[in-house]
Amino acid sequence: DTAVSQTPKYLVTQMGNDKSIKCEQNLGHDTMYWYKQDSKKFLKIMFSYNNKELIINETVPNRFSPKSPDKAHLNLHINSLELGDSAVYFCASSQDPPWRGPGDEQFFGPGTRLTVL
Amino acid sequence: AQSVAQPEDQVNVAEGNPLTVKCTYSVSGNPYLFWYVQYPNRGLQFLLKYITGDNLVKGSYGFEAEFNKSQTSFHLKKPSALVSDSALYFCAVRDRGDSSYKLIFGSGTRLLVRP
Repeated sequence: DTAVSQTPKYLVTQMGNDKSIKCEQNLGHDTMYWYKQDSKKFLKIMFSYNNKELIINETVPNRFSPKSPDKAHLNLHINSLELGDSAVYFCASSQDPPWRGPGDEQFFGPGTRLTVL
Repeated sequence: AQSVAQPEDQVNVAEGNPLTVKCTYSVSGNPYLFWYVQYPNRGLQFLLKYITGDNLVKGSYGFEAEFNKSQTSFHLKKPSALVSDSALYFCAVRDRGDSSYKLIFGSGTRLLVRP
């Protein structure tokens, strides 16, 4: 069984469209994350949720809206897609919230490659 | 502000030779340090972490890393490289005292192990 899964794996769309990426983890973890990896492989945190509550909200355009219907799911909705949104988006999860201890290792999904034309 | 530097974009080694992937960090307080590996078209996988205690940390697949507080470094090492170790390696840091809880990643180092 896949621990952290993302759908879709590839997403090609036109500028201006709205799209969503879904993430699910079956590890029983409390905390989930969204990262963006650009074409130079630079990885940056976007959001983090703990038990459906937002705990990290980086400076990203408000066109990006995360939603956590339950602690096993964290979806990412992107409005009015722009060329610069093209990247690989990774979902991740960890057992505990970061304030609880030294920092659990994070388990990453396989990524969603978003291409905006 | 916390930051991580991986000074080498790429490291090339021959199979069987020792390898080192360099990482230096900057935090205002004490760090939590991590190494992750990314294989092509895959997500990142955790290798090892330094929290406290022994400066030499052992991790998965025979990798280890040494925490050096005076040099603010956390270099990744392996005594004998395998071709299958070829991948992209990321160092990451979190400042224990930082209430933002963010994990900051370096820019990554590509390791190529030639047969």
